[in-house]
Amino acid sequence: SQTIHQWPATLVQPVGSPLSLECTVEGTSNPNLYWYRQAAGRGLQLLFYSIGIGQISSEVPQNLSASRPQDRQFILSSKKLLLSDSGFYLCAWSLTRTYGYTFGSGTRLTVV
Amino acid sequence: GESVGLHLPTLSVQEGDNSIINCAYSNSASDYFIWYKQESGKGPQFIIDIRSNMDKRQGQRVTVLLNKTVKHLSLQIAATQPGDSAVYFCAENLGTGANSKLTFGKGITLSVRP
Repeated sequence: SQTIHQWPATLVQPVGSPLSLECTVEGTSNPNLYWYRQAAGRGLQLLFYSIGIGQISSEVPQNLSASRPQDRQFILSSKKLLLSDSGFYLCAWSLTRTYGYTFGSGTRLTVV
Repeated sequence: GESVGLHLPTLSVQEGDNSIINCAYSNSASDYFIWYKQESGKGPQFIIDIRSNMDKRQGQRVTVLLNKTVKHLSLQIAATQPGDSAVYFCAENLGTGANSKLTFGKGITLSVRP
């Protein structure tokens, strides 16, 4: 069966520090991968999605970047965090457009 | 388009009653829809989906209704339980082929009164 792992679960980082959040998927090949951000009490905002290794699409201009170095690995990064980067970050995968997304457990990022 | 909206509306229901959560979607070309449930501090969980060639689909205690004429989606939960308390999101699939992606609604908080 397919599983998705996301870590860390919580992270407190100072303003200006770098960020690296990792997401991996097991049990499937060539998944579509997604990074979402959810501000407190709000909906889900798509940040990046990837349909294959090295293929990244950005949905909104921001202080973050994403990379997909391996088929089932998706990384969210920042060189210098801003206070506004705080939020709940969710990784998700889907096999095709006719399947729903499966989400990871999320990372709660607090920038102080 | 993207939906990062205002603070979420709340629906309060009595335990044991039926709940109806409504969602208006944006694109008449969307052909796949999903309802997700998100408990506090967790990632969204798939509840039920429906394709645009259907008007209704039933699961265990849940039913999704799709009205394409008015671009409206609803989730009905029968005999609502305390464990149903969560934020519920509808999502529509936009785009085609490998570039398709889900766009989420603003979310509704369901609060179950004992």
